[in-house]
Amino acid sequence: ILNVEQSPQSLHVQEGDSTNFTCSFPSSNFYALHWYRWETAKSPEALFVMTLNGDEKKKGRISATLNTKEGYSYLYIKGSQPEDSATYLCAFQAAGNKLTFGGGTRVLVKP
Amino acid sequence: NAGVMQNPRHLVRRRGQEARLRCSPMKGHSHVYWYRQLPEEGLKFMVYLQKENIIDESGMPKERFSAEFPKEGPSILRIQQVVRGDSAAYFCASSQLAGEVQEQYFGPGTRLTVT
Repeated sequence: ILNVEQSPQSLHVQEGDSTNFTCSFPSSNFYALHWYRWETAKSPEALFVMTLNGDEKKKGRISATLNTKEGYSYLYIKGSQPEDSATYLCAFQAAGNKLTFGGGTRVLVKP
Repeated sequence: NAGVMQNPRHLVRRRGQEARLRCSPMKGHSHVYWYRQLPEEGLKFMVYLQKENIIDESGMPKERFSAEFPKEGPSILRIQQVVRGDSAAYFCASSQLAGEVQEQYFGPGTRLTVT
């Protein structure tokens, strides 16, 4: 059974502050690490797919890093805005296409 | 470019009835995945299908659940003789290619309630 853990489970951020949170995953049989943003009552939205150790990806104020040797990825939000409030999911992909999801980090940005 | 479509969005079934959940992948996508989110739990993989083939059904319960993705038409997740424990949100995702890393695009989900 693959163990994909995200921490913290939830966090409150003041508007304008930056924040980050973690996804840990097995360091063996690694193929890719996916990040999704999931707003209530909407579809999970793909943010990043990361494959290489040391990878860094950026989309606007959101960025992510990847360490496959130690099995973790960080997601960063710079200058948080209320529209960043969502649950952020990471998903581990071994060989084969199925994704194993973490439990998510619920981010609430307070104006 | 329409995204992944799922219907119905909400489905209520009595215990013992059948539930049929439909998923139309994005245009040009031939790979479909079903995931389930039980109450207070995360998304869990159920099954991966290509057109007319089941590739990986390692996450499917052994009984009462089946999935298909015919040559024409949507993918169907079928649950026979539903029980209260089947109440969950069922999400479908699709991707374009196999054999390389691909984003999976998710639909809005079908929320199944078994009464």
